[in-house]
Amino acid sequence: AQSVTQPDIHITVSEGASLELRCNYSYGATPYLFWYVQSPGQGLQLLLKYFSGDTLVQGIKGFEAEFKRSQSSFNLRKPSVHWSDAAEYFCAVGGNSGNTPLVFGKGTRLSVIA
Amino acid sequence: KAGVTQTPRYLIKTRGQQVTLSCSPISGHRSVSWYQQTPGQGLQFLFEYFSETQRNKGNFPGRFSGRQFSNSRSEMNVSTLELGDSALYLCASSLGDRGVTEAFFGQGTRLTVV
Repeated sequence: AQSVTQPDIHITVSEGASLELRCNYSYGATPYLFWYVQSPGQGLQLLLKYFSGDTLVQGIKGFEAEFKRSQSSFNLRKPSVHWSDAAEYFCAVGGNSGNTPLVFGKGTRLSVIA
Repeated sequence: KAGVTQTPRYLIKTRGQQVTLSCSPISGHRSVSWYQQTPGQGLQFLFEYFSETQRNKGNFPGRFSGRQFSNSRSEMNVSTLELGDSALYLCASSLGDRGVTEAFFGQGTRLTVV
């Protein structure tokens, strides 16, 4: 069965510092990977996705993620964090059939301090 | 282009009652998925509808049901509400055709059962 692990429940970074959020997945076939962000009381917004091709994908708001098949990882990065990036981040994996439900990790809450 | 619209945003119900939540997907999207989000369990898949047919179902009791109309709008119903049903219910829409496409989420309906 597919699964997603986000090892860090909560991360605190200083504004302007770099950020890396970890995501490990388990999936029997070619995974399709996503990162979503959720602000308090809101729905999920798609940051970026990996379907195939270049393993380094760029997303919105200056985020990027790198797919590493050998490590079953899809870590999210940002070179310089802004206070507005404080939110909860979810990694998700889906199948390649178009109708495989997304499986989400438990999320990582990001706090940003001045 | 309008996003995914969920109504109502907030609901308070009493144990034993039933509730109906509504989701209007992005125009042209034929797939609607429902997720339950709680602090303890995270995001859990309820079911997915595509072209008025349930295509996937998660591991929830039969008290949770849904349907999709010809205009792709979807409703989910929860009967005999329990305290544990208190959650944020998120709806996601996608094209739903073959091949993976990203899911776009609504703001959610916050259900509180008292």
